[in-house]
Amino acid sequence: AQKVTQAQTEISVVEKEDVTLDCVYETRDTTYYLFWYKQPPSGELVFLIRRNSFDEQNEISGRYSWNFQKSTSSFNFTITASQVVDSAVYFCALSGLNAGGTSYGKLTFGQGTILTVHP
Amino acid sequence: GAVVSQHPSWVICKSGTSVKIECRSLDFQATTMFWYRQFPKQSLMLMATSNEGSKATYEQGVEKDKFLINHASLTLSTLTVTSAHPEDSSFYICSATHRGRLNTEAFFGQGTRLTVV
Repeated sequence: AQKVTQAQTEISVVEKEDVTLDCVYETRDTTYYLFWYKQPPSGELVFLIRRNSFDEQNEISGRYSWNFQKSTSSFNFTITASQVVDSAVYFCALSGLNAGGTSYGKLTFGQGTILTVHP
Repeated sequence: GAVVSQHPSWVICKSGTSVKIECRSLDFQATTMFWYRQFPKQSLMLMATSNEGSKATYEQGVEKDKFLINHASLTLSTLTVTSAHPEDSSFYICSATHRGRLNTEAFFGQGTRLTVV
């Protein structure tokens, strides 16, 4: 069975602070995908990143960066110089691969972390 | 590309009535569509997986006779909540995987907020 744990239920920071959202996962699959999504108050899920289990390189996209540590089964997300617009619920998710080796699309989500950035 | 549209965005219905939610892939053919449910301040939980032309596969604890899923074409899946009750009030969101595109994420619709009164 797959499991994703986001231990931080809520985080509150002041604008321009850096913030890291933790994600720990469990899976018996040897290959899998990890995701981060942002869910603003309107409810839609905004895709942020997908990471293949074979690729342990960290990634940076603007103010966002991700640290994938396969040895500790963690996929943490850092926002640098946070802004009020970053306030949202953030979900980490895990997907196995189908027989064709592509992302199956069936996601197991963590509980989500509510991030509030104050001006 | 890869846009998934859900309709309606929100709906209020009376207890005992049925509500249909549509999930359409606008610019691609969807091999598989997934339906998730999210109660307030909780995570998204997979309800069922539907493949075009076949019966949906429901997750444990999800009543298939209450949540009817029809996936009649490669671009449309519908979820019907039958005999809705207030406890069915939730945010329902679908996703679709792209047929023919390898190693891709599932694309999510914007969700439907259902309120049963």
